[in-house]
Amino acid sequence: DAGVIQSPRHEVTEMGQEVTLRCKPISGHDYLFWYRQTMMRGLELLIYFNNNVPIDDSGMPEDRFSAKMPNASFSTLKIQPSEPRDSAVYFCASRQGGAVSYEQYFGPGTRLTVT
Amino acid sequence: ELKVEQNPLFLSMQEGKNYTIYCNYSTTSDRLYWYRQDPGKSLESLFVLLSNGAVKQEGRLMASLDTKARLSTLHITAAVHDLSATYFCAVEVGFNKFYFGSGTKLNVKP
Repeated sequence: DAGVIQSPRHEVTEMGQEVTLRCKPISGHDYLFWYRQTMMRGLELLIYFNNNVPIDDSGMPEDRFSAKMPNASFSTLKIQPSEPRDSAVYFCASRQGGAVSYEQYFGPGTRLTVT
Repeated sequence: ELKVEQNPLFLSMQEGKNYTIYCNYSTTSDRLYWYRQDPGKSLESLFVLLSNGAVKQEGRLMASLDTKARLSTLHITAAVHDLSATYFCAVEVGFNKFYFGSGTKLNVKP
């Protein structure tokens, strides 16, 4: 398996624009997570899905952020409108279900810069 | 609010020396994770500690978990330059709620 795939790897956009980040989890994994990493706040869990259903979005910072998982192999994180304080690295991770393995596997991340 | 505190935050050490990174957390949890992150890269899973008293070792790194003390340690033995990276601990509360420490940036000098 190619691991967790994220695109784009880098995104530069202007304040007010819509940004869409994409993630393809590892095939067969039941859980998908979105994280944000900044110098000020470290690594934060934003939302996670189980079998394509959002389970906990309490970490989503504002209504400007939304996430979807239309099928088992694709998820998006959208920011609309974007603001400079959204600049961060956004990671997607996936995990198998049950007690098979507790490990999370992280994607390479998307570095977002909002000017 | 749950707190996960790592110390030290920065660690500069000579090759060949031993050192320990500490991870304290403020709530009950039976699962703790250690990750490594190289600059500009993703997180790589190092250890998954699933129960009190768990100890795992891989090469020069050894991790342990004391759930009663809410403490995990990552011990580095005879450090080498290749271990230079940032190390994160993460606590799982319930299932799938992960809280990360601030990270310990390790620099191993030749």
